[in-house]
Amino acid sequence: QKEVEQDPGPLSVPEGAIVSLNCTYSNSAFQYFMWYRQYSRKGPELLMYTYSSGNKEDGRFTAQVDKSSKYISLFIRDSQPSDSATYLCACWNSGGSNYKLTFGKGTLLTVNP
Amino acid sequence: NAGVTQTPKFQVLKTGQSMTLQCAQDMNHNSMYWYRQDPGMGLRLIYYSASEGTTDKGEVPNGYNVSRLNKREFSLRLESAAPSQTSVYFCASRDVIKDTQYFGPGTRLTVL
Repeated sequence: QKEVEQDPGPLSVPEGAIVSLNCTYSNSAFQYFMWYRQYSRKGPELLMYTYSSGNKEDGRFTAQVDKSSKYISLFIRDSQPSDSATYLCACWNSGGSNYKLTFGKGTLLTVNP
Repeated sequence: NAGVTQTPKFQVLKTGQSMTLQCAQDMNHNSMYWYRQDPGMGLRLIYYSASEGTTDKGEVPNGYNVSRLNKREFSLRLESAAPSQTSVYFCASRDVIKDTQYFGPGTRLTVL
């Protein structure tokens, strides 16, 4: 079992829909959780960053972490065609060495106008 | 401020050829990373450098070597390219204050 599992999709939604993207992880030592967005033929860019359990909101994006169930989520409200991209979750353990992120495989999202 | 830059953007090699992928960052970051990204496999860490003068193996180091030339530059070398090394290669550097990694635009490598 990989340390971080993510459904690769693809996921296709109409414009304006609420999108839910999810990952599960197996390493209980993970403390930091991130979501990266990757447009086609570009490098990943950090979208959201959370520490431990709880919610974090930034505009139309909400990141949620439930450490008890080892489940992390990204919600996108009022989705736009410009949100079409691959979304990668990532986790790391501050007690580990040298900040090695563990990535999920990414979910491809298409928002249709 | 260019962030993380990578050269070349595209490369086609024949099996057995060698090449070096270049990466540079202008953000004064200590840690730098090389990943490969393959369909269905996600991002996998090849090598990383926690600071100038140090390098360590990641998840998939076989067939690669790295050099941390100075604080800005971290290169990845394929000594004898194989078709299994066909991939998109990303370099990244770590911002300690923001606790995140910044990625370059990638190098698309095809080995025939």
